[in-house]
Amino acid sequence: DVKVTQSSRYLVKRTGEKVFLECVQDMDHENMFWYRQDPGLGLRLIYFSYDVKMKEKGDIPEGYSVSREKKERFSLILESASTNQTSMYLCATHDIDRGEGSPLHFGNGTRLTVT
Amino acid sequence: AQSVTQLDSQVPVFEEAPVELRCNYSSSVSVYLFWYVQYPNQGLQLLLKYLSGSTLVKGINGFEAEFNKSQTSFHLRKPSVHISDTAEYFCAVSDLGFKTIFGAGTRLFVKA
Repeated sequence: DVKVTQSSRYLVKRTGEKVFLECVQDMDHENMFWYRQDPGLGLRLIYFSYDVKMKEKGDIPEGYSVSREKKERFSLILESASTNQTSMYLCATHDIDRGEGSPLHFGNGTRLTVT
Repeated sequence: AQSVTQLDSQVPVFEEAPVELRCNYSSSVSVYLFWYVQYPNQGLQLLLKYLSGSTLVKGINGFEAEFNKSQTSFHLRKPSVHISDTAEYFCAVSDLGFKTIFGAGTRLFVKA
């Protein structure tokens, strides 16, 4: 079974802080994604990566950056946290070797509160 | 561009009753269709998927969905729900690229 681990379940940060959300997967998947989940809006893609050191902007990249130095680890960075970034953040992986129709595998999420 | 519309934000239903969660999508290309379920305080997990072939797809926990190309719909059904089915359900589409687009979600409440 694919295991996607997000390092924190709950985080509380202050406005202006630099925040790191970490995601580690153990299945050697090429593709990794960061989504944020808000009530009534579903999941929106922030950034994704299809290889080490490669990244692509998703639909809502403003205020975020990412880092992928190793295949198994994909970090989401909030350079200067703001209250409108309070949300649930979900990391996901995708195994391209199983074809484009293979599903995403999700971590349990990090609920971030910015005060 | 693709989009996904889940027509109901909340669906209350009594235990052992049937349920249908509705999903419509739009896309200019062929897509793959998915339903994911999210239990409280957990990430999403795959319920079922449609890639090609038979339009009736069976998933885990007794759920099934029917792909209707002419109506661009992919509604999720279960003939008899349990309390444990209380969760949020997401319809999603992806094309030949890497991106998956999600609907806004439907909260299913199963009452005793």
